[in-house]
Amino acid sequence: SAVISQKPSRDICQRGTSLTIQCQVDSQVTMMFWYRQQPGQSLTLIATANQGSEATYESGFVIDKFPISRPNLTFSTLTVSIMSPEDSSIYLCSVVGSTSTDTQYFGPGTRLTVL
Amino acid sequence: GEDVEQSLFLSVREGDSSVINCTYTDSSSTYLYWYKQEPGAGLQLLTYIFSNMDMKQDQRLTVLLNKKDKHLSLRIADTQTGDSAIYFCAESRISNTGKLIFGQGTTLQVKP
Repeated sequence: SAVISQKPSRDICQRGTSLTIQCQVDSQVTMMFWYRQQPGQSLTLIATANQGSEATYESGFVIDKFPISRPNLTFSTLTVSIMSPEDSSIYLCSVVGSTSTDTQYFGPGTRLTVL
Repeated sequence: GEDVEQSLFLSVREGDSSVINCTYTDSSSTYLYWYKQEPGAGLQLLTYIFSNMDMKQDQRLTVLLNKKDKHLSLRIADTQTGDSAIYFCAESRISNTGKLIFGQGTTLQVKP
């Protein structure tokens, strides 16, 4: 399985600021995703990070609020823009490897608190 | 709809078997997964099953799939206190490269 790291692991931010979360994988992967887990809730897909092109967003999520980059096959960033307390969540990246039998593996998550 | 449903809480005694249940709605689901989340941690993939299988066993874990009833279960044999966590079931509908739909998670409490 792929080894996935995220930075930062946690942060406390002020309302109105923006935070960029990084996701690094130790091998090339075909697909990368960003999920949100609100407090006490399950996971919801934000978007699919596409290498070299714009991310594909799920209903309820927009690029202006959650800009995503994926410059290569091992790295992606998610920015949470102009944050409010409602953005307090765990943000997780996940990957699918390069073989058809691979499944989705998740990073350790970034725990974000917005004051 | 896109519902994946799980019971929210299960309590067992150490050494007993735990059975966590999940129901899903879409018959086109291709892969079904079980993830474990310990407090303050990310998601750990425990096991998964292809939709054309009925059962999969991996050490203490047994997954049963009833496609007719759209019911998935995870059995943990000889449950240990280290198994205490939240268990999420998830389904994938576009091969194994697509969006995962997660259940609400079942909190497993193991009493010594």
